[in-house]
Amino acid sequence: GAVVSQHPSRVICKSGTSVKIECRSLDFQATTMFWYRQFPKQSLMLMATSNEGSKATYEQGVEKDKFLINHASLTLSTLTVTSAHPEDSSFYICSASSVGQEMSQYFGPGTRLLVL
Amino acid sequence: AQSVTQPDIHITVSEGASLELRCNYSYGATPYLFWYVQSPGQGLQLLLKYFSGDTLVQGIKGFEAEFKRSQSSFNLRKPSVHWSDAAEYFCAVGAAGYSTLTFGKGTMLLVSP
Repeated sequence: GAVVSQHPSRVICKSGTSVKIECRSLDFQATTMFWYRQFPKQSLMLMATSNEGSKATYEQGVEKDKFLINHASLTLSTLTVTSAHPEDSSFYICSASSVGQEMSQYFGPGTRLLVL
Repeated sequence: AQSVTQPDIHITVSEGASLELRCNYSYGATPYLFWYVQSPGQGLQLLLKYFSGDTLVQGIKGFEAEFKRSQSSFNLRKPSVHWSDAAEYFCAVGAAGYSTLTFGKGTMLLVSP
């Protein structure tokens, strides 16, 4: 149980285009989803936290107009990187937790984004 | 604010030898502590967690960790390492009532034959 998927697993795009990454909880209802960014050989940095039906809460320094997060249902959250640039290239990981188990985050396999 | 320190960037252990990965945290109250493992290009898998109770917690894949409040530590151990354990290990801390986690910088485990 507690499986989280991400799609796509890797994406290459041209600079200036937008990219959407999906995060799905497959066998549980995710009341809270988290989006992380991981640079090579570094730790995970939390970008934002989203609760179903609410606006996401962004961490300091994360541009909410650039990284659009939607959590429209209890099983799906999306992260859209708008007008992507090479410096946005990174590994994006989502996680999800359910009501009553907010401290247990289940992680997706990650999405590798390369912006040319 | 909480913080996590993993003092070892990478560690090499011979297959079959014992392993201990260090984790120190900073947090004013009782922390929630986690160990995750990440294989290359993959997401994170939870190995074990400590919320309360017995300070020695057992996890998956033969791992265990011990919470020592006096040392602000939550070190991960395994008595006999397998080649498949080679991966990056992250310690994380959370706070009661808050769902966000703070991760350490990770320790890369290399397993030699």
